[in-house]
Amino acid sequence: GAVVSQHPSWVICKSGTSVKIECRSLDFQATTMFWYRQFPKQSLMLMATSNEGSKATYEQGVEKDKFLINHASLTLSTLTVTSAHPEDSSFYICSARDRSIDSNQPQHFGDGTRLSIL
Amino acid sequence: AQTVTQSQPEMSVQEAETVTLSCTYDTSESNYYLFWYKQPPSRQMILVIRQEAYKQQNATENRFSVNFQKAAKSFSLKISDSQLGDTAMYFCAFMKHAHDMRFGAGTRLTVKP
Repeated sequence: GAVVSQHPSWVICKSGTSVKIECRSLDFQATTMFWYRQFPKQSLMLMATSNEGSKATYEQGVEKDKFLINHASLTLSTLTVTSAHPEDSSFYICSARDRSIDSNQPQHFGDGTRLSIL
Repeated sequence: AQTVTQSQPEMSVQEAETVTLSCTYDTSESNYYLFWYKQPPSRQMILVIRQEAYKQQNATENRFSVNFQKAAKSFSLKISDSQLGDTAMYFCAFMKHAHDMRFGAGTRLTVKP
């Protein structure tokens, strides 16, 4: 089955540093990837839609300069949390859509990244 | 904008019994897709079942089935013969044609031995 690899699975860093999270589609190509944030005991909230070769589309209220998204290839999207602060601590999940099949098929999810900012 | 509502924050069921999780949504679209996802403590997102809005027949996957009422904009999940491994968060999700997914707040299901 389609596999999405997300790395790292857990990261702890100091306040003020930048953290990069990678989302890779291992056995398919993804024109579109999605980034979600999930706070404890809450739902997944879409942050942005990442499109290969073009700028990401951010949801209302999500700071594009704070959460930098790059989708430079058909198998890799990265989310960089710049100048991270404790309130950015959360669980970040990516998903990817297989470009070779019907775009209404379910997205494939990564296993998530737990980000803890001290 | 589409909204997805799960009105049951927590549910519990005895092992081998049946439980139904509710979900309602709001949309003006006619072409859309609905999903139920399971998120165990590992936090993986596992697709349980999906339903195309244009299909009248309710989807079924082994012990999991849905009751899709398009006019009422309702999409409930029935789990039959509940197993301990069904304990998880369950999210209802809505997807407009070729767009992103929107999730409900989730229902925490506990299956008791």
